[in-house]
Amino acid sequence: TQLLEQSPQFLSIQEGENLTVYCNSSSVFSSLQWYRQEPGEGPVLLVTVVTGGEVKKLKRLTFQFGDARKDSSLHITAAQPGDTGLYLCAGGYAGGTSYGKLTFGQGTILTVHP
Amino acid sequence: DARVTQTPRHKVTEMGQEVTMRCQPILGHNTVFWYRQTMMQGLELLAYFRNRAPLDDSGMPKDRFSAEMPDATLATLKIQPSEPRDSAVYFCASGQWLAGRMGGELFFGEGSRLTVL
Repeated sequence: TQLLEQSPQFLSIQEGENLTVYCNSSSVFSSLQWYRQEPGEGPVLLVTVVTGGEVKKLKRLTFQFGDARKDSSLHITAAQPGDTGLYLCAGGYAGGTSYGKLTFGQGTILTVHP
Repeated sequence: DARVTQTPRHKVTEMGQEVTMRCQPILGHNTVFWYRQTMMQGLELLAYFRNRAPLDDSGMPKDRFSAEMPDATLATLKIQPSEPRDSAVYFCASGQWLAGRMGGELFFGEGSRLTVL
């Protein structure tokens, strides 16, 4: 059973379009991170959100943590071919011996066509 | 430029053979993770260590997989005997976590691509 469900699994769009990727869970997380992975490489951290309702912006990327800290979204404005990659959300725990443990969603493969 | 180093990058072996993957975490990081990535399952946590002590290896098939940290600069993941279903990319990642602090960054290596024939 996947603790974190990402949707959509695949997204193919044209340059300039907007898109949103969702990350949902029935569990409450202490933090939610988004990573981006390119072929042949490991995931690289984009952002961390820790407060329910928190919104963070990174240039054309907007990240939001749900009020109940069970879900998150990633919105990209005016997508570019360089945004192509696998986007992964990861839920983290801060308490007990599990602090620092990250559980990943299955990922969203984004392809942006020129 | 500090980074996590994994060896080998690629490994092709036959079913039944022993496979050992090695990871050098970033110096000073106190937490080391082993993940396995496949198209079907995504990134699965196999095991993780804090200050070299194993904290959770519930994601690992115990009968054939073992993970150790003989010292702070080396983590190993061993599969014996290997099976075709073990074919995947294995990632090592390290980070620095402090109790009570949330949202530590995980730094991933480039992965070891394993193919078991």
